[in-house]
Amino acid sequence: AQSVTQLDSQVPVFEEAPVELRCNYSSSVSVYLFWYVQYPNQGLQLLLKYLSGSTLVKGINGFEAEFNKSQTSFHLRKPSVHISDTAEYFCAVNANAGNMLTFGGGTRLMVKP
Amino acid sequence: DAGVIQSPRHEVTEMGQEVTLRCKLISGHNSLFWYRQTMMRGLELLIYFNNNVPIDDSGMPEDRFSAKMPNASFSTLKIQPSEPRDSAVYFCASSYTGGNSPLHFGNGTRLTVT
Repeated sequence: AQSVTQLDSQVPVFEEAPVELRCNYSSSVSVYLFWYVQYPNQGLQLLLKYLSGSTLVKGINGFEAEFNKSQTSFHLRKPSVHISDTAEYFCAVNANAGNMLTFGGGTRLMVKP
Repeated sequence: DAGVIQSPRHEVTEMGQEVTLRCKLISGHNSLFWYRQTMMRGLELLIYFNNNVPIDDSGMPEDRFSAKMPNASFSTLKIQPSEPRDSAVYFCASSYTGGNSPLHFGNGTRLTVT
């Protein structure tokens, strides 16, 4: 079985500050990892994904994430956030056993001016 | 491609009425997922199809819910009869088969049952 934990339900941050959104997963097999972003009144959009290879993955809008197998983590980071980054962010894992994605509970990023 | 298209965007109905939500997949995608999102329970997978065949419907709340794929590019989710606790945003997502293929979500249908 696989599970995803996003420890922070809300993260307030000032504009231009750095941010890290935490994601930990559990799985007994190798995994594919994803981050999605959801803007108000929209569906989820893919931000970035880790399939294999380099553990540092770069995505859209200046976000990046690092896969850490020993800590079973896939934290999302951005060095300088913008007001437009205000959204809900979801971490998801697929344990390489088909199409079934397991989503975390989401983290609401609130960027303040 | 226009992406995953869901209709209607908003649906308001009275308790006991039948509700049908519609979804058009991205051309070429062969996996289809229905999710429900609420504040209390977050994002829940209701049912998953692969090549038009339901693979996992363990998330469907009860017999009042049914989903179909009459063809490779279209799906419906029906609730009959609807209840106020069904109020939520329902998302459809499609992808290619394979764990490394990301999901593409529609913009959702916001259902309100009064």
